[in-house]
Amino acid sequence: AQSVTQLGSHVSVSEGALVLLRCNYSSSVPPYLFWYVQYPNQGLQLLLKYTTGATLVKGINGFEAEFKKSETSFHLTKPSAHMSDAAEYFCAVSDYDFGNEKLTFGTGTRLTIIP
Amino acid sequence: GAVVSQHPSWVICKSGTSVKIECRSLDFQATTMFWYRQFPKQSLMLMATSNEGSKATYEQGVEKDKFLINHASLTLSTLTVTSAHPEDSSFYICSARRDGGGYGYTFGSGTRLTVV
Repeated sequence: AQSVTQLGSHVSVSEGALVLLRCNYSSSVPPYLFWYVQYPNQGLQLLLKYTTGATLVKGINGFEAEFKKSETSFHLTKPSAHMSDAAEYFCAVSDYDFGNEKLTFGTGTRLTIIP
Repeated sequence: GAVVSQHPSWVICKSGTSVKIECRSLDFQATTMFWYRQFPKQSLMLMATSNEGSKATYEQGVEKDKFLINHASLTLSTLTVTSAHPEDSSFYICSARRDGGGYGYTFGSGTRLTVV
């Protein structure tokens, strides 16, 4: 069974500061990993994903994440926070290649940007 | 590309009535679509996997007779909440997986259902 743990349900950073949102996963097979962003009353937008290949993945809006197998982590970072980054962020895992294409989501992290 | 349209974006209905939510992939074909439910300030819980031309696969604990899913074409899946009750009030989100040419899910904008 696969699972995702997001440490910190709420994260606050100052505008211009580093954003770090933590995600650890559990999977019995090589995982596919995703970060999604959700704005109030909206669906989810894909920020980035890791499937195979390069472990440092760059996404939209200046976000990036690094897959670390030894740490079973896929933390999301952005060098300089912008007010528009305030939203809910979800990490997700899938065992797609092994017949299980369901996405399992973490509990989410609400990012607040302090002016 | 890869746009999923979900309609309606919000709906209020009376207890005991049924509500249909549509999920359309506008510019790609989707053999498989997924329906999620999200409670306030919580994560997304997968309700069912919708397969074109066949029965949906429901997650454990999801009532098949209450949440009817139909995936009649490669671009449309519908979720009908039957005999809705206040406890069915929630945010429902669909997603579609693009067939072929890579891997990824596209999500609809969600439907806020309020049962009064």
